[in-house]
Amino acid sequence: AQSVAQPEDQVNVAEGNPLTVKCTYSVSGNPYLFWYVQYPNRGLQFLLKYITGDNLVKGSYGFEAEFNKSQTSFHLKKPSALVSDSALYFCAVRDMKNTDKLIFGTGTRLQVFP
Amino acid sequence: DAGITQSPRHKVTETGTPVTLRCHQTENHRYMYWYRQDPGHGLRLIHYSYGVKDTDKGEVSDGYSVSRSKTEDFLLTLESATSSQTSVYFCAIREEGTVNQPQHFGDGTRLSIL
Repeated sequence: AQSVAQPEDQVNVAEGNPLTVKCTYSVSGNPYLFWYVQYPNRGLQFLLKYITGDNLVKGSYGFEAEFNKSQTSFHLKKPSALVSDSALYFCAVRDMKNTDKLIFGTGTRLQVFP
Repeated sequence: DAGITQSPRHKVTETGTPVTLRCHQTENHRYMYWYRQDPGHGLRLIHYSYGVKDTDKGEVSDGYSVSRSKTEDFLLTLESATSSQTSVYFCAIREEGTVNQPQHFGDGTRLSIL
């Protein structure tokens, strides 16, 4: 079955330190992967996507993600965390059986401490 | 921000009553989606639409119906609300074209069923 896993419910990091939010996926064929961020009382905002090409994808607000096909992972990264990065992050993969749909992970709460 | 308006933003109602949530877009996008967000489950697709009068079920469609009589509006109806349908509901839209286009989300409707 197709799926996305975000193994950490919460990630804590000090401001100024690098951050990583983990995502692994299970789909047949080449995956189309997305990261979204959700701030309190708001909808999800698109951060970045991987379709094909360079394994390091750059997105909004200084975030980037690294696609690793052998490890079936698509981890979200940022070199220097800000307190304002504190939010809920979702990884998603295109449903390869119905490409109109996305399959979302359960989300990871990022807490950046001053 | 994508031109998506969800109404109402908050609603409290009683078990057994009908409820209709509205999603309105100003982007003229073909695809529209309804999700529910619950702790520990991430986002789960309820129904989606790929054009006027064209809809399909998602993974948690039981107890929900949808209608799309014009491009800009996508309605979600709970025919007889139950407490298990207490959730935050999000509408999303996607531009026609390649499946690589990201979905863009509204700010949600918080629905409480007592």
